[in-house]
Amino acid sequence: DTAVSQTPKYLVTQMGNDKSIKCEQNLGHDTMYWYKQDSKKFLKIMFSYNNKELIINETVPNRFSPKSPDKAHLNLHINSLELGDSAVYFCASSPRPSPTGTQYFGPGTRLLVL
Amino acid sequence: EDQVTQSPEALRLQEGESSSLNCSYTVSGLRGLFWYRQDPGKGPEFLFTLYSAGEEKEKERLKATLTKKESFLHITAPKPEDSATYLCAVQADSGYSTLTFGKGTMLLVSP
Repeated sequence: DTAVSQTPKYLVTQMGNDKSIKCEQNLGHDTMYWYKQDSKKFLKIMFSYNNKELIINETVPNRFSPKSPDKAHLNLHINSLELGDSAVYFCASSPRPSPTGTQYFGPGTRLLVL
Repeated sequence: EDQVTQSPEALRLQEGESSSLNCSYTVSGLRGLFWYRQDPGKGPEFLFTLYSAGEEKEKERLKATLTKKESFLHITAPKPEDSATYLCAVQADSGYSTLTFGKGTMLLVSP
C-alpha cells in the first residue's frame, strides 16, 4: 500500500564510495523529485523528472546523477561520496509538475558518510 | 529568489491551548502555498494548498489562512498527537517551478 517507497532506509558508508538510492511510486504520477534535508532541516529540491525527462536540475554537484527507467521509478546515484553529503534524501511524486504542486513524499533515506 | 520564513522555530503548548504558526514568504508570483506535517524520522505529509489571498482551508483542529505576504496555521485545542514539525512551502508561478520550503516550526503538545 506504500505510495512512495525508498530503499535503503539507512545508508552508512565511507568517503569516496559510490552508492545508489532507489525510489518507487505506485500512485500513477507523472512527476518525481529528489530532495535533500540537511542537518539544519532545510528541505531543498535537487532534481525533478516528468515522464522520465529531466525538467529541473538545481545546483547540485555532478557527482549526483538521477536516473528514471520509467515513470514509477527515480533512482539517485552518488559518486565519490563526501562528508557533506550526509543528510536525509527524500523522494516525492506529484500528478503533474504544474499547475498544482501537491507532492507526496517517501519515508526518506538517511545517509551518513564517515 | 523565493524565500520562506517560519516562526516560531519551536512552540510548546499544553493540550487544549490554541495557537498559531506563521509563514512569511516572498515569491515572484504565487502559484500555491503548501503546508506539510513532518513526524520524526518520516517524510513530509501533505496538509493543505492555498492559492489566493483570503483563502482558508480546515482539517480537524487545523486551519490554514493566506494573505499576500504570509500564511497562518491555526491549531485549535491541540492534542499530543498534533506534535510534529510543520513545514510551509511556496511554489512560484513560472514554468516548472518547484517548492521552496521554510525550516519549519517544531510543535510539542504536552498532555
